[in-house]
Amino acid sequence: GEDVEQSLFLSVREGDSSVINCTYTDSSSTYLYWYKQEPGAGLQLLTYIFSNMDMKQDQRLTVLLNKKDKHLSLRIADTQTGDSAIYFCAEKDTGNQFYFGTGTSLTVIP
Amino acid sequence: EAGVAQSPRYKIIEKRQSVAFWCNPISGHATLYWYQQILGQGPKLLIQFQNNGVVDDSQLPKDRFSAERLKGVDSTLKIQPAKLEDSAVYLCASSLPTGSTGTNEQFFGPGTRLTVL
Repeated sequence: GEDVEQSLFLSVREGDSSVINCTYTDSSSTYLYWYKQEPGAGLQLLTYIFSNMDMKQDQRLTVLLNKKDKHLSLRIADTQTGDSAIYFCAEKDTGNQFYFGTGTSLTVIP
Repeated sequence: EAGVAQSPRYKIIEKRQSVAFWCNPISGHATLYWYQQILGQGPKLLIQFQNNGVVDDSQLPKDRFSAERLKGVDSTLKIQPAKLEDSAVYLCASSLPTGSTGTNEQFFGPGTRLTVL
């Protein structure tokens, strides 16, 4: 399978911006996704980006894609305590197979 | 719109016992996925159905895991016999039919947390 890597932990202060990074190996990815998982809950899709785009903004969320370096990032502006969760990046290949990263646990300090 | 339903939410069994999980996808979603999420890891796809046919089960340990989706709606995932390393959260997700275009957003259920003692 494909490798999708993320750093495990991130702590930020409330009101600051958070940047969560992800690297992947599959150069044939069609879509890349960011999911949020709160304790005891399933994964919730936050946003996605098509592989021929390099940026997508959706309210407080900004996704940057560097296809050459196979690097994806999620920026959360004005981070709130309710943003504390585990964030997973995922990529879909041309065979419609999804590969998830290891998850980044975001802690927002009040 | 009702989400993906899963039951039970929690299950504790001893090794070598059998266990079954149930999933009811969102109405109209032809594609159904079962994932295994071990603590501290991302979800790993076990099996993908399109209607009642298997699309991908390459990562399903077929000597002990089985899954079915007889009428193209509900699905069950069974483990027989369970091992200690099967302790994980089992997530079910559904989406509109997969195709070569489109985001195919997956909607996830809350998961079943399995503990094997």
